[in-house]
Amino acid sequence: EVQLAESGGGLVQPGGSLRLSCSASGFTFNDFAMHWVRQAPGKGLEFVSAIDDKGGSAFYSNSVKGRFNISRDNSKNMLFLHMGSLRTEDMAVYYCARNWHMDVWGQGTTVTVSS
Amino acid sequence: QSVLTQPPSASGTPGQRVTISCSGSNSNIGSNSVNWYQQLPGTAPKFLIHSNNQRPSGVPGRFSGSKSGTSAYLAISGLQSEDEADYYCAAWDDNLNGYVFGTGTKVTVL
Repeated sequence: EVQLAESGGGLVQPGGSLRLSCSASGFTFNDFAMHWVRQAPGKGLEFVSAIDDKGGSAFYSNSVKGRFNISRDNSKNMLFLHMGSLRTEDMAVYYCARNWHMDVWGQGTTVTVSS
Repeated sequence: QSVLTQPPSASGTPGQRVTISCSGSNSNIGSNSVNWYQQLPGTAPKFLIHSNNQRPSGVPGRFSGSKSGTSAYLAISGLQSEDEADYYCAAWDDNLNGYVFGTGTKVTVL
């Protein structure tokens, strides 16, 4: 079964850092681009970042550019999102999704930014 | 920040047809294909339509997509109670060099 499982969310102070992980199973991970998408409480979906299948190209929304870094370890079927200089507006459920058109989603991990 | 505009709500009675619009620009919908996602309350989004009008296996035939110029449309025919959810369109934006999502439409089955 194709599955994605996010982890690493939690409570962090403004200005702090956090690393999210996404574990993939049930498919050939290095054949697919991957995304991070977030959803603030009561709000809509927002693209955060994407990375191509080999990790050679990465894309970011303007709201996180320069603060977040996406990476992947194809040998371990893992996707990561390194988040720095966190702001209250980064507080959201973070989802990883497979493929350029986001055909499979994980269940999400919650990031809370508060002092 | 959403670049694609959707109506905040839509509704219909069971069996009716409901259509949701998604309005963008030349840099996103006008240049790239559109995907649609369904999000049931308290759950992760689910892939519904890709490449403007292609339904993945397992998605009921009552869901259909179309695109014209810088707008896209999701139609739900034969509306059912389990279709009550939030629906989002999305497309790659060539100017932003990233994906953009619609503002979302809440569908209510009366």
